[in-house]
Amino acid sequence: GQNIDQPTEMTATEGAIVQINCTYQTSGFNGLFWYQQHAGEAPTFLSYNVLDGLEEKGRFSSFLSRSKGYSYLLLKELQMKDSASYLCAVSDRGSTLGRLYFGRGTQLTVWP
Amino acid sequence: DSGVTQTPKHLITATGQRVTLRCSPRSGDLSVYWYQQSLDQGLQFLIQYYNGEERAKGNILERFSAQQFPDLHSELNLSSLELGDSALYFCASSVAGGTGINSPLHFGNGTRLTVT
Repeated sequence: GQNIDQPTEMTATEGAIVQINCTYQTSGFNGLFWYQQHAGEAPTFLSYNVLDGLEEKGRFSSFLSRSKGYSYLLLKELQMKDSASYLCAVSDRGSTLGRLYFGRGTQLTVWP
Repeated sequence: DSGVTQTPKHLITATGQRVTLRCSPRSGDLSVYWYQQSLDQGLQFLIQYYNGEERAKGNILERFSAQQFPDLHSELNLSSLELGDSALYFCASSVAGGTGINSPLHFGNGTRLTVT
């Protein structure tokens, strides 16, 4: 089965840095995704990790440790528009199967 | 705009009824996925189709069914609706049969279903 855990809520101030953690247990592993979802809107793709290490993409970075079943999403220079839910998702089988299993999301609130 | 189109945006219906949700994937994408998102459950994978054929099945109830047509659009049919079926239903598409850096999921804006 799949078990994906992430904090329910986080708060931070504009301009700060925030790290959102995700731990997972899956029967097989084929990559970890981070999505951003504003209230009532579609999730949008942020990042993908399949090998250990850090992937950097502008203000957002994502880290993966497969041996620890752990990932984090790092958001720098926070802006008000970054207030959203951040979803950690794991692809659990070989690449021929595309389903993603999502955590319940971390609601980030950025204060001025 | 992800390029994935879902209709209708909102649907209000009564218990026991049947509804059909429609999804058009991004141009060139062969896979369509359906997800259900409720407040207490998060995004739950229902079913995946790839080039017209069922590829993977998740927590989809027997009262629910889906199909993907030759033009690659997909429909999700929900029948004998219950109050607990009220949720946001998302369709997503990807270019390949699996997901990866070159084939992430792109989500539509969802259909909000309210069962009264």
